[in-house]
Amino acid sequence: DVKVTQSSRYLVKRTGEKVFLECVQDMDHENMFWYRQDPGLGLRLIYFSYDVKMKEKGDIPEGYSVSREKKERFSLILESASTNQTSMYLCATASGLLGHGYTFGSGTRLTVV
Amino acid sequence: GEDVEQSLFLSVREGDSSVINCTYTDSSSTYLYWYKQEPGAGLQLLTYIFSNMDMKQDQRLTVLLNKKDKHLSLRIADTQTGDSAIYFCALGRNTDKLIFGTGTRLQVFP
Repeated sequence: DVKVTQSSRYLVKRTGEKVFLECVQDMDHENMFWYRQDPGLGLRLIYFSYDVKMKEKGDIPEGYSVSREKKERFSLILESASTNQTSMYLCATASGLLGHGYTFGSGTRLTVV
Repeated sequence: GEDVEQSLFLSVREGDSSVINCTYTDSSSTYLYWYKQEPGAGLQLLTYIFSNMDMKQDQRLTVLLNKKDKHLSLRIADTQTGDSAIYFCALGRNTDKLIFGTGTRLQVFP
């Protein structure tokens, strides 16, 4: 089974800090995604990547950037954290095989104070 | 864009059947998925259905798809306390950029 590992389960940061959320997969999946999850809003796509050094904006990219220097690692960066970025962040990967859907990491609950 | 709607909460008694509903606006989706999220965890793929199917059964899970009404449902037979979780439907034309519903929190009481 593919494993998707997010570096932190819980994170508390101060307003204005630069925050890095890391996601690492142990399979050879091309597609990687970052979502945020908020109650009543479901999952909203922030950024995704189809390949190394490729990135595409999702539905809510403002205030975020990403980096994919290696195929197995996809990083989400909050350049200057704000309280409205307090949320659960979920990383997912996809193999490209139809019907297999996404495989998710366990999530990082970020609190910005 | 695509809208995918779910009711926020569902409460059922242990042993009863649960039915979680999902409505959507875009009929071009190829695959329709159901995911389960247990507390403090990521999402786990439960089952999926091709858009050219009406029904799929997998042990206690039954997925029904009504393409005319753009309605997808997940029925869980003999619901157990371990089924308590948030359930998400998701739609996609391929594995890129799945569109997720808002999630339904299922609570099972004894």
